[in-house]
Amino acid sequence: DTGVSQDPRHKITKRGQNVTFRCDPISEHNRLYWYRQTLGQGPEFLTYFQNEAQLEKSRLLSDRFSAERPKGSFSTLEIQRTEQGDSAMYLCASSPRSGQGGLETQYFGPGTRLLVL
Amino acid sequence: AQKVTQAQTEISVVEKEDVTLDCVYETRDTTYYLFWYKQPPSGELVFLIRRNSFDEQNEISGRYSWNFQKSTSSFNFTITASQVVDSAVYFCALSESTNAGNMLTFGGGTRLMVKP
Repeated sequence: DTGVSQDPRHKITKRGQNVTFRCDPISEHNRLYWYRQTLGQGPEFLTYFQNEAQLEKSRLLSDRFSAERPKGSFSTLEIQRTEQGDSAMYLCASSPRSGQGGLETQYFGPGTRLLVL
Repeated sequence: AQKVTQAQTEISVVEKEDVTLDCVYETRDTTYYLFWYKQPPSGELVFLIRRNSFDEQNEISGRYSWNFQKSTSSFNFTITASQVVDSAVYFCALSESTNAGNMLTFGGGTRLMVKP
């Protein structure tokens, strides 16, 4: 069973450009999460999907950010009109659906490191 | 609101020393889950352990052990006989059961440096 994969691993862009990141979760994991991690900080939740439905969005997710998971498999995170403050590591995680009375562990991908010049 | 505090930003030890990483959390829920993740220089977060709030039994896995104390809202992590390969940033995280998405709230992390 392969883990969560993310592409690209690194992205350098100029301010004002649009960027798109892809996440492929562990197969059969129906929950998918996006987090952002700035230098020296812990990851912060951005949004999550259950299958293709986006069920929660953090206030950190400004209008310039959009995420999709069209067929309930891979997901994309797009940032429009990038700003220098968007420079961070973008982490994707997936988990199976919670079992009765429980919670499933989130497994993380290697992240996409974004640098906005 | 939930919060996780890792007061130690950086710890340096010499190989074979024991080291404890502290984690203190805040939550209003009676049912919640606590996690530890390891982030090596490669950047990927590696899951280490998960604990639910009803299970205060301490756990040992090889050189790793975890001490969960609800009375002090702490979930500390001890590495026995540390090795250079343990060098990484370690994150403690919390998820509340009332949180429908089970999203994680992370602490700021503790950078552990193990010197040979």
